Amino acid sequence: DIVMTQSPDSLAVSLGERATVNCKSSQSVFFSSNNKNFLAWYQQKPGQPPKLLISWASTRESGVPDRFSGSGSGTDFTLTISSLQAEDVAVYYCQQYYSTPRTFGQGTKVEIK
Amino acid sequence: QVQLQESGPGLVKPSETLSLTCTVSGGSINNYYWSWIRQPPGMGLEWIGYIYFSGSTNYNPSLKSRVTISVDTSKNQFSLRLNSVTAADTAVYFCARLSYYDRSPFEHWGQGTLVTVSS
Repeated sequence: DIVMTQSPDSLAVSLGERATVNCKSSQSVFFSSNNKNFLAWYQQKPGQPPKLLISWASTRESGVPDRFSGSGSGTDFTLTISSLQAEDVAVYYCQQYYSTPRTFGQGTKVEIK
Repeated sequence: QVQLQESGPGLVKPSETLSLTCTVSGGSINNYYWSWIRQPPGMGLEWIGYIYFSGSTNYNPSLKSRVTISVDTSKNQFSLRLNSVTAADTAVYFCARLSYYDRSPFEHWGQGTLVTVSS
């Protein structure tokens, strides 16, 4: 199984400041034949299902604000919220879809400082 | 916009079978992959398995001996059965849609349904 490890487990950021969540996979999720990383980021607010924010490590889904961005390749990935808004308070998960079983990181809770 | 809705008993006795159905509306179940994911209270996400509209399946090895996912294209539904449940199976169960190919993220999710295993 590919183990996904996020850091930190939680972080508190002031409104308008940058929030950075890291995700490391135990093996590469980069597929050379299509030059893509099989890595997604989700946002989960209390009492709601996860929402897909970013796929292929860096492709923002339709309707997702451009303050959310994803980067990285191979085994190391980052989700950045460039200017934290109150509505961004949530738990963020990374997930690999390179192989089965599909696996998620443990989640990172983002709060307002 | 496709919508997914889970349904089924919210309480299951230990050693019995958990059965849930996901009803898909606003789109066809055909040509897509469909998945079940669960989340124990206050914890992270665990992938249970997925099914293609044609019926082919892929399960998490940690649950494979107890899980069956099936599809009914005539009803635009797919279902989950989990046998021999214990308290460790208490979780919110989500159904989700992938894309046309299995190696894709979970694009759309149901709201989830809490299933408690208790006598």
